[in-house]
Amino acid sequence: GQSLEQPSEVTAVEGAIVQINCTYQTSGFYGLSWYQQHDGGAPTFLSYNALDGLEETGRFSSFLSRSDSYGYLLLQELQMKDSASYFCAVNRDSSYKLIFGSGTRLLVRP
Amino acid sequence: NAGVTQTPKFRVLKTGQSMTLLCAQDMNHEYMYWYRQDPGMGLRLIHYSVGEGTTAKGEVPDGYNVSRLKKQNFLLGLESAAPSQTSVYFCASSLNGNEQFFGPGTRLTVL
Repeated sequence: GQSLEQPSEVTAVEGAIVQINCTYQTSGFYGLSWYQQHDGGAPTFLSYNALDGLEETGRFSSFLSRSDSYGYLLLQELQMKDSASYFCAVNRDSSYKLIFGSGTRLLVRP
Repeated sequence: NAGVTQTPKFRVLKTGQSMTLLCAQDMNHEYMYWYRQDPGMGLRLIHYSVGEGTTAKGEVPDGYNVSRLKKQNFLLGLESAAPSQTSVYFCASSLNGNEQFFGPGTRLTVL
């Protein structure tokens, strides 16, 4: 079967660093994506990892270990506007069908 | 550029009625996708298309049909709506599959 596991909720303080983990078990793997979704809004793309290692984009970084079927999203210098749901998603094949996790709700407190 | 647009934004149907959701993108993307999102859950793929004139089933295709007659448009049809199809429907498009651009969503309620 296909499964992605990520924590349901995380709370952090403004200015802090938070890491959201994702473990996956899928038939086929091309890469791991991360999306952000604010309440009532559409998902927006944050990052994509096809190879092992760390990808950095501004305050956000994403890591992948294919051998461990594991990745994480790192958010630094948290801001109130970062309060949202974060989804990891696996690309399983060349048609780039995404399998989404259930999402991690991040609450940033002052 | 408008990006990805969806029509309508909201709709209420009675059980057994039919409707079509329209998705349009102006980015010349080959790949297009239809997802549904239920409360507190991730998105689940209904159908997708890898190019004009092609469609394929995703994870949860039952009760839905799609068509991609033009590259820029991807239509999702519900032939006989059921309460279990109450959900938020998102369309997405992608140039290379790595980064998907989502529309604003259609909130559908089936009574």
